[in-house]
Amino acid sequence: DIQMTQSPSSLSASVGDRVTITCRASRSISSNLNWYQQKPGKAPKLLIYAASNLQSGVPSRFSGSGSGTDLTLTISSLQPEDFATYYCQQSSNTPLTFGQGTKVEIK
Amino acid sequence: EVQLVESGGGLIQPGGSLRLSCAASGFTVSSNYMSWVRQAPGKGLEWVSVIYSGGTTYYADSVKGRFTISRDNSKNTLFLQMNSLRAEDTAVYYCARDPGYRFGYGGMDVWGQGTTVTVSS
Repeated sequence: DIQMTQSPSSLSASVGDRVTITCRASRSISSNLNWYQQKPGKAPKLLIYAASNLQSGVPSRFSGSGSGTDLTLTISSLQPEDFATYYCQQSSNTPLTFGQGTKVEIK
Repeated sequence: EVQLVESGGGLIQPGGSLRLSCAASGFTVSSNYMSWVRQAPGKGLEWVSVIYSGGTTYYADSVKGRFTISRDNSKNTLFLQMNSLRAEDTAVYYCARDPGYRFGYGGMDVWGQGTTVTVSS
């Protein structure tokens, strides 16, 4: 199974900050990586698919990059509605696996 | 409107069975990868199972042999039959659509609201 490790597990940031979350795979997943945002009590929301493709309706301040084993999600200017938990998920092989999550909190 | 609505969760004793349903509207279940994903209280997301458009199924090791994913094309509904339930199966269960991308998985772009399964005596 491919293990996904996110870093950091949590971070505190201010509105307007640039935020980067990293996802490391236990072996190469090429660009088969998706990013989700989840708010408390809600279902996850797809932000980025296939490493760098912005899902329809998602603000352009979200971007994804990387391939292989190290991939990143960047929020260029953090907005109040972005405080949430973010998950990466590899779609290279079954079993599909998620990272443990990164909680983005208000500083 | 593209939508998924889960049902069937509840309180069940260890060793019991439940069948979850996920009714789709606005798209065809059988034309997509359809997954179940769960989230234990206070924990992260865990993928459970997927069914391909062609009918191929896969399971997480934690549920293999106990859970069965299926669909009813006439009802445009996805199911998860859960047998031999354990306390560690307690979670919110979500169904999700993956429309695919370039001959493989894409991302899960439509999610249900979740249904809660509690396994306890």
